[in-house]
Amino acid sequence: ETGVTQSPTHLIKTRGQQVTLRCSSQSGHNTVSWYQQALGQGPQFIFQYYREEENGRGNFPPRFSGLQFPNYSSELNVNALELDDSALYLCASSPMLGAEGFLSYEQYFGPGTRLTVT
Amino acid sequence: AQKITQTQPGMFVQEKEAVTLDCTYDTSDPSYGLFWYKQPSSGEMIFLIYQGSYDQQNATEGRYSLNFQKARKSANLVISASQLGDSAMYFCAMREEGKGLTGGGNKLTFGTGTQLKVEL
Repeated sequence: ETGVTQSPTHLIKTRGQQVTLRCSSQSGHNTVSWYQQALGQGPQFIFQYYREEENGRGNFPPRFSGLQFPNYSSELNVNALELDDSALYLCASSPMLGAEGFLSYEQYFGPGTRLTVT
Repeated sequence: AQKITQTQPGMFVQEKEAVTLDCTYDTSDPSYGLFWYKQPSSGEMIFLIYQGSYDQQNATEGRYSLNFQKARKSANLVISASQLGDSAMYFCAMREEGKGLTGGGNKLTFGTGTQLKVEL
């Protein structure tokens, strides 16, 4: 059991609408990453948050935005939804070890939110 | 840019047999990590095993081992004594390392996956 939770489980939206997906990190984890997984593909990195700031972004347009809260939970917001945004959205949390910010290899994924845009 | 290639869209294996899932990678980074994840039909990505580029020995975790051949840029996953519960999608992934979190260094680049089916 990873301890990362996501809500909602499934969501259906109409093209042009806006959506907010939520992620609760595993206890003790202070970084969160979001991924988009289209059907039949591997996950694609959207962005990463650490200490409530975005500090890494993949090849996604600005209408994909996020937030990280002081309790390390996170939101992914997508504006002006397009049909191609239909996918499984995964969040992953990981701990940071040590004052130097040594990366742990542990990255635990939540069960995902399946978004369908019609 | 990093790239992961998984050339086996689907694999079948008999229960209790061993199976090797192929993964090749391409990167110009001197320091990187290689991961394997299992994704059942429920959708959750389950971490299986990790190999650092400077690790001298191949990683092992229970029935999982990673056959790391740096010169060939391959990181194949070996599952021994396959079980019916091993049926799932398997993804190979890579991460740049050495840049720290402030450099966005937790990004994983995934391959397209291999669907493994374990048969009786």
